[in-house]
Amino acid sequence: GENVEQHPSTLSVQEGDSAVIKCTYSDSASNYFPWYKQELGKRPQLIIDIRSNVGEKKDQRIAVTLNKTAKHFSLHITETQPEDSAVYFCAPPAGGTSYGKLTFGQGTILTVHP
Amino acid sequence: DAGITQSPRHKVTETGTPVTLRCHQTENHRYMYWYRQDPGHGLRLIHYSYGVKDTDKGEVSDGYSVSRSKTEDFLLTLESATSSQTSVYFCAISEANSPLHFGNGTRLTVT
Repeated sequence: GENVEQHPSTLSVQEGDSAVIKCTYSDSASNYFPWYKQELGKRPQLIIDIRSNVGEKKDQRIAVTLNKTAKHFSLHITETQPEDSAVYFCAPPAGGTSYGKLTFGQGTILTVHP
Repeated sequence: DAGITQSPRHKVTETGTPVTLRCHQTENHRYMYWYRQDPGHGLRLIHYSYGVKDTDKGEVSDGYSVSRSKTEDFLLTLESATSSQTSVYFCAISEANSPLHFGNGTRLTVT
């Protein structure tokens, strides 16, 4: 199965700073790379995803970069705001190509201080 | 909320009792999933369904069974609940080549 490691496990930044979370995976067949955000007591919500034929994708203050050779992808948040405080999960697929059978990382707790 | 309703939202039960959690969707999506979330483990796939009466096991399926008799409903059953099954259970849905969307979760406590 897919082995997923996410770093760091906790990240504390000042409002306006950038935050970067890295996810490494083991299955070279993986071709879909999503990031989920989960606020306290809420459900996980997809914030950005990338397919393997693209190296980078950006959506306003959020971006994801992919390095398939090294088998890692990263979440970048610029100009952080207090409402970005949450747990972030990477979740590459178990078995390569599924969009639903995902292997979640352990999560990164991001705290943005005003 | 992506048209997903989980019931009940909270449940406390005793060890050895059967428990059924329900997931209902209004999106007519083909694929449905059950995940559990525990501290230190992220979310882990229990079972999933790719159509009516078509189900398969996930990473942590022992002690759980599922049924899908209608497109809109996916049931998760704990035949004999154990304390290790205390967790938050999330149902999720997707279509082919589209992202996963989660319900609001069911918090289950087994005493």
